[in-house]
Amino acid sequence: GQQVMQIPQYQHVQEGEDFTTYCNSSTTLSNIQWYKQRPGGHPVFLIQLVKSGEVKKQKRLTFQFGEAKKNSSLHITATQTTDVGTYFCAGSGTYKYIFGTGTRLKVLA
Amino acid sequence: GAVVSQHPSWVICKSGTSVKIECRSLDFQATTMFWYRQFPKQSLMLMATSNEGSKATYEQGVEKDKFLINHASLTLSTLTVTSAHPEDSSFYICSASAIRGGTEAFFGQGTRLTVV
Repeated sequence: GQQVMQIPQYQHVQEGEDFTTYCNSSTTLSNIQWYKQRPGGHPVFLIQLVKSGEVKKQKRLTFQFGEAKKNSSLHITATQTTDVGTYFCAGSGTYKYIFGTGTRLKVLA
Repeated sequence: GAVVSQHPSWVICKSGTSVKIECRSLDFQATTMFWYRQFPKQSLMLMATSNEGSKATYEQGVEKDKFLINHASLTLSTLTVTSAHPEDSSFYICSASAIRGGTEAFFGQGTRLTVV
């Protein structure tokens, strides 16, 4: 079945450093979504990418969808302590979303 | 964004009993609801997809007789864990979508189930 992997699994950065998480699907996706889950909380929707090669920005966050629609990335510029949490991608091939393995980000002040 | 309410937020039950978890979309009609299970520090594993008025579609390896899903209305889906065992202890979370596929899903707060 469809698998969605993310790397790295964990990332510790100093506040102000950049951070990137990569998402790779075993199958071509129709679209991909990104979520952030704070410790003890539920996933919160960040963005959806649909088009091949699409790039979207939200303040310090930059999201990219690969040309082949099988991979995606989330880049955070100048991390802040509020960025702490686990970032999940969720890929859709049909109507359901399969979540990636997640990247846990820790920001050291 | 839209609001999805999940209840209860936590529950402790004895082995062998059944537990019902409710997922409600408060300000939109959810044609599709998804149920996930999340173990500590792990990803969300899709258990099943339910569409209002039809039977749920279960993922491979998920026992449909153990995890009963009912999506009786456009605003309510329920997950019943039947004859719960300690290994069923987990974080269960629902999400709801107004349109089948292609749009963002709104997540409930999750239910932490502990079976003793």
